[in-house]
Amino acid sequence: EAQVTQNPRYLITVTGKKLTVTCSQNMNHEYMSWYRQDPGLGLRQIYYSMNVEVTDKGDVPEGYKVSRKEKRNFPLILESPSPNQTSLYFCASSSITVQGLGSSPLHFGNGTRLTVT
Amino acid sequence: AQSVTQLGSHVSVSEGALVLLRCNYSSSVPPYLFWYVQYPNQGLQLLLKYTSAATLVKGINGFEAEFKKSETSFHLTKPSAHMSDAAEYFCAVSKGTYKYIFGTGTRLKVLA
Repeated sequence: EAQVTQNPRYLITVTGKKLTVTCSQNMNHEYMSWYRQDPGLGLRQIYYSMNVEVTDKGDVPEGYKVSRKEKRNFPLILESPSPNQTSLYFCASSSITVQGLGSSPLHFGNGTRLTVT
Repeated sequence: AQSVTQLGSHVSVSEGALVLLRCNYSSSVPPYLFWYVQYPNQGLQLLLKYTSAATLVKGINGFEAEFKKSETSFHLTKPSAHMSDAAEYFCAVSKGTYKYIFGTGTRLKVLA
């Protein structure tokens, strides 16, 4: 089954304790991205990757890191989490077609609800 | 810069009534447009997408949307609401670059 898998689904941590949220897709998609969802703000892009070893900042990258060492995996790293990073996080992937990225829809994981106290 | 506006953060309809969720985009070039649905505790699922093949796009679960360039709109409709349609709906736009822009979402409530 084609899917994007995120782990964990729920995470409660304390300020400053490094954490990693994993994301894996089995569709051989070139493009992967992380979003955070906050009430009234919709989805905001944190980082994205166009392919292996190619990553770039989205709209809200501060406090986050990513890596893309393999095509299928795109972990999100919070080196020193703070309470303002409490949010619902989604990983998504998409293929890049001849029409360009954006003609294909995003496939989303089920989300990771992070609470930082 | 592209943007997406969804009018109404909450919409309530009676079961069996018409569902209309509004989405307007700003773009100088016809973009790719999408509607996604999010059920509680789940990720976003694609409902339908517009990629210039046809202005009226049919999606899953009886939803459809019409692209109106003159109005820069891509409103989502369903003739008859069902209880299972209660969810949050997101409009999104892309111009073939790396970026997808999402609206702030509309939460649909279906009343029995």
